[in-house]
Amino acid sequence: DQQVKQNSPSLSVQEGRISILNCDYTNSMFDYFLWYKKYPAEGPTFLISISSIKDKNEDGRFTVFLNKSAKHLSLHIVPSQPGDSAVYFCAASQAAGNKLTFGGGTRVLVKP
Amino acid sequence: EAQVTQNPRYLITVTGKKLTVTCSQNMNHEYMSWYRQDPGLGLRQIYYSMNVEVTDKGDVPEGYKVSRKEKRNFPLILESPSPNQTSLYFCASSWDRGVNEQYFGPGTRLTVT
Repeated sequence: DQQVKQNSPSLSVQEGRISILNCDYTNSMFDYFLWYKKYPAEGPTFLISISSIKDKNEDGRFTVFLNKSAKHLSLHIVPSQPGDSAVYFCAASQAAGNKLTFGGGTRVLVKP
Repeated sequence: EAQVTQNPRYLITVTGKKLTVTCSQNMNHEYMSWYRQDPGLGLRQIYYSMNVEVTDKGDVPEGYKVSRKEKRNFPLILESPSPNQTSLYFCASSWDRGVNEQYFGPGTRLTVT
C-alpha cells in the first residue's frame, strides 16, 4: 500500500503559467516532506522541503503548501519555464525514522 | 566536485549470474541508501546504511545484499538476479538518516533476461 501518492502521472502547462503538483499521504507519523526533481538519465535532485510545523515554504519560483488535516501537500511553480520539464517526486519522512518514502512521480511538460 | 558515482550505468545480464553495482560518494556522508525506480511506483528503498558496518533493510530488500566496509562505498549485490529485478537503481547519500536532502547518483539501468 503506497503511503505517498501522486495521483496525476502527468501535467502539461504553458510557459509562464502556474504548475500545481499534488501529493497525498496516509501515514500521520510523517512530519517532513520534500520534493525532488528528476531529468532523464540523471538522478533526482532535491528541490524544496517543508516541516510539519509549517504550512508554507517558498524558494524563488517554487512554493510548497502543506495541509496536515487533509494529509495533502502541493508544489506550485510560478512562472513555469521550459527547463522545469521533468519528473517531480514527492517524499515524506519521520523525524525519528531513517528513510524517505516516495510517491510515484508526476511528469511535467512546460510548452514554450 | 561533490558527487555520488555509480558503475556501471547500464547492464544487461542473464538470470542467476551474480553482479555488483558499485556506489561511491566523496562528501564524507554517513548515511547511504539504495533505491529502485519502477514505473508508477516511484523510488522504493532497498537497503540503507547509517554508518560503516551498519546496514538495514528498506522496503524491498529481497534478492539484494549490501556491505559498508568503508564510509565512501556502498555496493549493491545481486547474488542470483531474476527478471523482476530489471529496474533503474539509484544510490544516494546524506549527512544523516535521510530527513535532509539526499544526493543521488546518476542511476544504473539493469536488465535481467
